[in-house]
Amino acid sequence: SQQGEEDPQALSIQEGENATMNCSYKTSINNLQWYRQNSGRGLVHLILIRSNEREKHSGRLRVTLDTSKKSSSLLITASRAADTASYFCATDSGSARQLTFGSGTQLTVLP
Amino acid sequence: NAGVTQTPKFQVLKTGQSMTLQCAQDMNHNSMYWYRQDPGMGLRLIYYSASEGTTDKGEVPNGYNVSRLNKREFSLRLESAAPSQTSVYFCASREDRASAGELFFGEGSRLTVL
Repeated sequence: SQQGEEDPQALSIQEGENATMNCSYKTSINNLQWYRQNSGRGLVHLILIRSNEREKHSGRLRVTLDTSKKSSSLLITASRAADTASYFCATDSGSARQLTFGSGTQLTVLP
Repeated sequence: NAGVTQTPKFQVLKTGQSMTLQCAQDMNHNSMYWYRQDPGMGLRLIYYSASEGTTDKGEVPNGYNVSRLNKREFSLRLESAAPSQTSVYFCASREDRASAGELFFGEGSRLTVL
């Protein structure tokens, strides 16, 4: 079973707009991570937020974590066509060093 | 700087055939993982190896076996392939720090079972 569930499943925006993706999970976590996957490629790590953090920034990425609601959001500001990809959240519950992935959000940025 | 290398990249099998997917990492990571990715289902963990000499089942282990050959290499074997095993397989590794650390992924192995 999947720990994280992303919302929306698909998102289409114009270049320059902001993109927001949400992730909900079920059990307590040690950290939550976001990954990006370009079509036909492997996943690439974007950002990690620990359970005692509420917000984290990396370049044009902003991640928030609300452990009381068991949810996280990924904001990509000033999106570019090159941001077109699938984005996955992954939760680390600490047990057996496993990461559990959600089903992903497909982001399309139109030029 | 290769990172995680998977072979083969593509494979077509007939039902009942066997094959082994190879994975190697050059980052001196302790933990290695095999995931499968199916449309609309994200990644599901098949097997993992927390350290050299140990392997454990993940969410969907049936029909697969693994070998942690040494610290660098972690192979996934399909003994008798079935059409339900048509998928994209990803190997990943992780530095084994407690409750932390990103996964580094290979580029994937695309398997079709006819």
